[in-house]
Amino acid sequence: KAGVTQTPRYLIKTRGQQVTLSCSPISGHRSVSWYQQTPGQGLQFLFEYFSETQRNKGNFPGRFSGRQFSNSRSEMNVSTLELGDSALYLCASNSPGGAEQYFGPGTRLTVT
Amino acid sequence: GESVGLHLPTLSVQEGDNSIINCAYSNSASDYFIWYKQESGKGPQFIIDIRSNMDKRQGQRVTVLLNKTVKHLSLQIAATQPGDSAVYFCAGPLNSGGSNYKLTFGKGTLLTVNP
Repeated sequence: KAGVTQTPRYLIKTRGQQVTLSCSPISGHRSVSWYQQTPGQGLQFLFEYFSETQRNKGNFPGRFSGRQFSNSRSEMNVSTLELGDSALYLCASNSPGGAEQYFGPGTRLTVT
Repeated sequence: GESVGLHLPTLSVQEGDNSIINCAYSNSASDYFIWYKQESGKGPQFIIDIRSNMDKRQGQRVTVLLNKTVKHLSLQIAATQPGDSAVYFCAGPLNSGGSNYKLTFGKGTLLTVNP
């Protein structure tokens, strides 16, 4: 079966702009989690969506938001970008009824 | 608060040797742990998990040991191969008893396998 797809793979933005990242989970998975990965902070949980509803949220400012569509695809948005938002953003497709998370390749965001 | 961390940031081993990667956690109520492997340019890949009612679990060439007394777990890789070179993370639910889809990760250990 197809894996987790994230688009785009690479993105360069300037401070103050906004960005939208997309994630398509594994077919049949209804839950999607987002993480931010940086060299200094490691992997940090952003939020989790299940059936179009945000079910869990991490400790990130309101500039970070997300949504999920009826086909389980998810997007995350970062507004008013800051240099510190440069990171690898990972989406995980969560197996139903279990704890396995299948990660996508990530979107590498660079803010200049 | 809860934290999950790694003892060593890097580990270098010879091909064929066994590797041991360690991880400590702070919340004694933590009941589930996962080890992930992340290769360069890829997302983390699930390796093996363990629940707190176990102290050992084995997979293919990997074994995870959990010592609840000292809040420590380790990942052992037998007969390490060059393809095992990657960053290894331990992870656990962010909140005790919370969603397993909301994980806190350690900083990771970079394993380098020398031929």
